[in-house]
Amino acid sequence: AQSVTQPDIHITVSEGASLELRCNYSYGATPYLFWYVQSPGQGLQLLLKYFSGDTLVQGIKGFEAEFKRSQSSFNLRKPSVHWSDAAEYFCAGTAGKSTFGDGTTLTVKP
Amino acid sequence: NAGVTQTPKFRVLKTGQSMTLLCAQDMNHEYMYWYRQDPGMGLRLIHYSVGEGTTAKGEVPDGYNVSRLKKQNFLLGLESAAPSQTSVYFCASSYTVYNEQFFGPGTRLTVL
Repeated sequence: AQSVTQPDIHITVSEGASLELRCNYSYGATPYLFWYVQSPGQGLQLLLKYFSGDTLVQGIKGFEAEFKRSQSSFNLRKPSVHWSDAAEYFCAGTAGKSTFGDGTTLTVKP
Repeated sequence: NAGVTQTPKFRVLKTGQSMTLLCAQDMNHEYMYWYRQDPGMGLRLIHYSVGEGTTAKGEVPDGYNVSRLKKQNFLLGLESAAPSQTSVYFCASSYTVYNEQFFGPGTRLTVL
């Protein structure tokens, strides 16, 4: 079955520290992959997407993600976290049917 | 360009009452979706549409009906609301199933 898994329900990092949020996918073919962010009380906003080509993709707000076929992963990274990055993050994929991970809540310590 | 809008933003219903949630998009997207979001359960797809006049069931369709009479609008109906339908409802749209989804701001529904 097609699926996207986010192993971490909740992550806490200090402001200024680096961040990596994990996403694993299970698809028969290479899926199109996305990362979304949801701030409290709001809808989801696209951070970045991977369709094909360069495996390192840049997104908005200083985020990047790397597609690793050998590990079936599409992890989200940011070199230095800001307090405003505190939110819930969703990984999603599609190979004809869209699926979302359960989300990872990011808390940023001052 | 408003993107995806949802009406209303908040609603409180009594058990057994009915209501319709309206979603509108101005991006000429073919695909539209209705999700519900509950604490600890991520996003669950209720119904979706691949074009005007079409609808299809998602992961949790029971208790809901939808209609897509116009390409820009996707309506979600609750015929007889139940407390289990207390949730935050999100509408989204996309060009195709392979493109990113654009989300509305959500409707917070409470069923007493």
